[in-house]
Amino acid sequence: SAVISQKPSRDICQRGTSLTIQCQVDSQVTMMFWYRQQPGQSLTLIATANQGSEATYESGFVIDKFPISRPNLTFSTLTVSNMSPEDSSIYLCSVEDATNEKLFFGSGTQLSVL
Amino acid sequence: GENVEQHPSTLSVQEGDSAVIKCTYSDSASNYFPWYKQELGKGPQLIIDIRSNVGEKKDQRIAVTLNKTAKHFSLHITETQPEDSAVYFCAAAPYNNNDMRFGAGTRLTVKP
Repeated sequence: SAVISQKPSRDICQRGTSLTIQCQVDSQVTMMFWYRQQPGQSLTLIATANQGSEATYESGFVIDKFPISRPNLTFSTLTVSNMSPEDSSIYLCSVEDATNEKLFFGSGTQLSVL
Repeated sequence: GENVEQHPSTLSVQEGDSAVIKCTYSDSASNYFPWYKQELGKGPQLIIDIRSNVGEKKDQRIAVTLNKTAKHFSLHITETQPEDSAVYFCAAAPYNNNDMRFGAGTRLTVKP
């Protein structure tokens, strides 16, 4: 399976600031996704990161709050903008393995907003 | 859209016992059912999966069963070990990974 590197692994941020999370894959993948996992909760899909075009957002998530970039087939970023304590979560990058269509996750970014 | 329910939310077993986690789904079009294990501070790790053309799949101490008629699937862990302690998530995907939905998770504790 693809090796997914995500950074930072954790951060503590002030209210009103923004944080950009990076996701690097060791092979070209077609599908990349960003998930949010609120404390003690399940995984919720934020958006599909599309290479060369705007990301596709799920209901309840908007581009102004969670802008996503996907400049190539191995890299994507998620920005959490104008943060509030409610944004404190784990943010996970995931990719679909093209050979078997299985979904794999990075190690996550633990975000705490004060 | 797909809705996945998972039970129990917490499960505690003695080392060596078996553990069973059950999930139900709502969309009859779902055809892919993975299970993930998440240890503290880590991302979810795919441990086993099953597709709708198969009723059961086994990998060493882990097995998954699927009942498409009843729309439920289960994870079975035999001879549990303390390192099996983690949160387990089931998921169901009707068409592709964009539509995958996850259960709420089961926190499994294996007592030595």
